[in-house]
Amino acid sequence: GAGVSQSPSNKVTEKGKDVELRCDPISGHTALYWYRQSLGQGLEFLIYFQGNSAPDKSGLPSDRFSAERTGGSVSTLTIQRTQQEDSAVYLCASSLDRGWTGPSEQYFGPGTRLTVT
Amino acid sequence: AQTVTQSQPEMSVQEAETVTLSCTYDTSENNYYLFWYKQPPSRQMILVIRQEAYKQQNATENRFSVNFQKAAKSFSLKISDSQLGDTAMYFCARTALIFGKGTTLSVSS
Repeated sequence: GAGVSQSPSNKVTEKGKDVELRCDPISGHTALYWYRQSLGQGLEFLIYFQGNSAPDKSGLPSDRFSAERTGGSVSTLTIQRTQQEDSAVYLCASSLDRGWTGPSEQYFGPGTRLTVT
Repeated sequence: AQTVTQSQPEMSVQEAETVTLSCTYDTSENNYYLFWYKQPPSRQMILVIRQEAYKQQNATENRFSVNFQKAAKSFSLKISDSQLGDTAMYFCARTALIFGKGTTLSVSS
């Protein structure tokens, strides 16, 4: 079946604008994760959705970042009033319902490269 | 803090050589999962190998194997008979949320 898809693949925006990044997980995967990958850095966890539970937002760097997941499927990461330091690749991943501590393999999307000018 | 450390930012090897990527981590838990992911220039991250801390036997997937030392909290990845397609950034992870900063591996002919 189809893998995790993300859109857009690239986004250039002006400082101060809001952006929305979209993630379509693999059908049937109830866990969904967002990460940020800055140049030369590892993956920085942002937010985790598990089924109908309240999301784990502990990784969001500021209140300008928010995410929602509608109908347990598609997720949107929103960054308000973008700053230049928000420039990074934003990766989405999904996995089966085993929880973030479990053995389930994560399937990653190709990422969205965000550039804030 | 629960962290994952990859001490080798970059490595280079020739085709057919064996290379070992190091990873250490910090945790107070007794059972957990460890992963190695590969991210080629295409940016598409894929799982290479996983290890359950409860199991003493080292995981193996074809040319990829791990040396898991639980007491030392070490989880290194060994790539045998390196191929050009192994060129990528490799990330070590403990659970789904804690990743290292990655090791960029370049394989040349």
